[in-house]
Amino acid sequence: SQTIHQWPATLVQPVGSPLSLECTVEGTSNPNLYWYRQAAGRGLQLLFYSVGIGQISSEVPQNLSASRPQDRQFILSSKKLLLSDSGFYLCAWSRKGLLHAEAFFGQGTRLTVV
Amino acid sequence: TQLLEQSPQFLSIQEGENLTVYCNSSSVFSSLQWYRQEPGEGPVLLVTVVTGGEVKKLKRLTFQFGDARKDSSLHITAAQPGDTGLYLCAGDNYGQNFVFGPGTRLSVLP
Repeated sequence: SQTIHQWPATLVQPVGSPLSLECTVEGTSNPNLYWYRQAAGRGLQLLFYSVGIGQISSEVPQNLSASRPQDRQFILSSKKLLLSDSGFYLCAWSRKGLLHAEAFFGQGTRLTVV
Repeated sequence: TQLLEQSPQFLSIQEGENLTVYCNSSSVFSSLQWYRQEPGEGPVLLVTVVTGGEVKKLKRLTFQFGDARKDSSLHITAAQPGDTGLYLCAGDNYGQNFVFGPGTRLSVLP
């Protein structure tokens, strides 16, 4: 079966510090991968998605970047965090080649920038 | 820009009551999904609706897709405290990405 791992679960970082959040998927190959951010108790904002290694699409201009160095690894980064980067970050994957796909989510990372 | 709207934003009801929440879009998606999210966790898929007019049932939950495939509703019969959570609808962009609505936060009081 497929699983998705996301870490860390919680993170407190000072303003101006770098960020690296990692997500890996097991049990499938060549998935679509996504990073979402969720404001407190609200909907999900798509930040980045990737259809393959090295292929990143950015949905929203921001202080963040994403990379996909391996097929099942997706990394969210920042060089210098802002207070506004605080939020709940979710990684997700979906299968390719399906007309009607479904997204499977990790457990999320609660980031607090202080 | 594709947007999904959900209503109501918040809903607090007593155990045993029925409720309906709505999801509306100006765009047509290849399918529409409903997820439920608990605090501090990722969303979990409840159902996918594909065909205009489609109705799917999941125990006490009934999901309907509008004829024009731009809107959907979720009806819960005899709500229980375990139904408490954030209900999110999402449109599937033909397998490329997913657009999420802002969610309806449901609280079912015992």
